[in-house]
Amino acid sequence: SYVLTQPPSVSVAPGQTARITCGGNNIGSKSVHWYQQKPGQAPVLVVYDDSDRPSGIPERFSGSNSGNTATLTISRVEAGDEADYYCQVWDSSSGTGVFGTGTKVTVL
Amino acid sequence: EVQLVESGGGLVQPGGSLRLSCAASGFTFSSYWMSWVRQAPGKGLEWVANIKQDGSEKYYVDSVKGRFTISRDNAKNSLYLQMNSLRAEDTAVYYCARGRQDRFDYWGQGTLVTVSS
Repeated sequence: SYVLTQPPSVSVAPGQTARITCGGNNIGSKSVHWYQQKPGQAPVLVVYDDSDRPSGIPERFSGSNSGNTATLTISRVEAGDEADYYCQVWDSSSGTGVFGTGTKVTVL
Repeated sequence: EVQLVESGGGLVQPGGSLRLSCAASGFTFSSYWMSWVRQAPGKGLEWVANIKQDGSEKYYVDSVKGRFTISRDNAKNSLYLQMNSLRAEDTAVYYCARGRQDRFDYWGQGTLVTVSS
C-alpha cells in the first residue's frame, strides 16, 4: 500500500516560515491535498491539487510537489496556525485514499 | 452554507453492528462524491470509504472490506455507513466528508464509535 511520511513535529517562531514535508514514492505524479486540524475540531482543507487554496484560506498557505516530496509552506506564521497538518493523496492503483502520518505545528 | 451532520455513533460490543448517518444540506448532494474518514483517539486520520454521486462506484480501505457498507440516498440528502462485525480497532471518531473522489473539501463534526465490552 502507498505510504506518506511526515515529520512528527515542526516548531516555528511567530512571523517565520514553517515548512511541512510529505514523502511518498513518486508523489510528484499525484495530486496532493493538505488539511489543518485544530484540537477538538474537524479537519479543514487548506491546499488542494498540490498548490491551490480554497476560498477563505489565507495566501500565507502554499504548496508544492515534485519528485518524492510534497511541501506545505506557511509564511508569516501566526499563533492561530498551531494545529496538526495532514497530507493526502488518492492511490489509484489500489483505489484507496491515503493520509500522511501528520505533523504537529507548534508556534513558539 | 454547507452542513454535514453525523449521527448514530455510540458504544457497541465487539462483533456488534452500528449504522452511521450523515445529513447534508446547503449544497446539491447528488453532485458530489461522499466519503467517511475516521480518527482513532489520539491518532491520525484514516480514509474509510467513498461513494460516487450515483452510488455506482464504492471503495473501501482493506481493513473494513466485507464488514462495512457505504450507501447514499440522494432523495434524502443522506450518506450512510453500515458497520458490522465491529472490532476494538474500529473505535474512532467517524467523519462524513464531501468532495471529489480524491479529496475532501468539507467535513462534518464527527460521531464517536466505541467498540468495547
